[in-house]
Amino acid sequence: SQQGEEDPQALSIQEGENATMNCSYKTSINNLQWYRQNSGRGLVHLILIRSNEREKHSGRLRVTLDTSKKSSSLLITASRAADTASYFCASTLNYGGSQGNLIFGKGTKLSVKP
Amino acid sequence: GAGVSQSPSNKVTEKGKDVELRCDPISGHTALYWYRQSLGQGLEFLIYFQGNSAPDKSGLPSDRFSAERTGGSVSTLTIQRTQQEDSAVYLCASSLGPSGVGTQYFGPGTRLTVL
Repeated sequence: SQQGEEDPQALSIQEGENATMNCSYKTSINNLQWYRQNSGRGLVHLILIRSNEREKHSGRLRVTLDTSKKSSSLLITASRAADTASYFCASTLNYGGSQGNLIFGKGTKLSVKP
Repeated sequence: GAGVSQSPSNKVTEKGKDVELRCDPISGHTALYWYRQSLGQGLEFLIYFQGNSAPDKSGLPSDRFSAERTGGSVSTLTIQRTQQEDSAVYLCASSLGPSGVGTQYFGPGTRLTVL
């Protein structure tokens, strides 16, 4: 079963606007990662946030993590047409038997119109 | 440096045939993961290698699926007697350390189509 659930499932915005995507998860995590996927192929790693971190920035990306609510958000500021892609959150579970595999949400399809 | 590479990029096969998918992880990465992505199931975990060992194979969807890793590097995922429901994109990822502590870097995937 999916650990993460993203919302919205699809988001359409104009170039220059900000895009916010949310992710919720069910069980205690080690870390949470955000990935981008273009055209259903390879996943590009965007950012990793550890369970003891609350916020992280990377360029135009800002990720927050609220472990009490089991949720994370990805904010892309000043979006560009090239940001059009699917975005996935993925977490690794925090328990002794975990293999460290990523458990993915269903993703948000972002469309940025020029 | 070079990222994770996978081959072939596309594979079309007939139902009942065997296929082999290859993954070359980033040099020095000890952990290697196989995932698959299909329309109905999203992204699902298949198997994890730490070095050459796969401690848990329970993520493999059936006994037609097997995987091995040699020399702590290249891994192959073999699907025997392929079925149409095996059609998916098969993704490989590697990371520097074990047990999901660090970032997992993905290859471009192999798109498998079973006719």
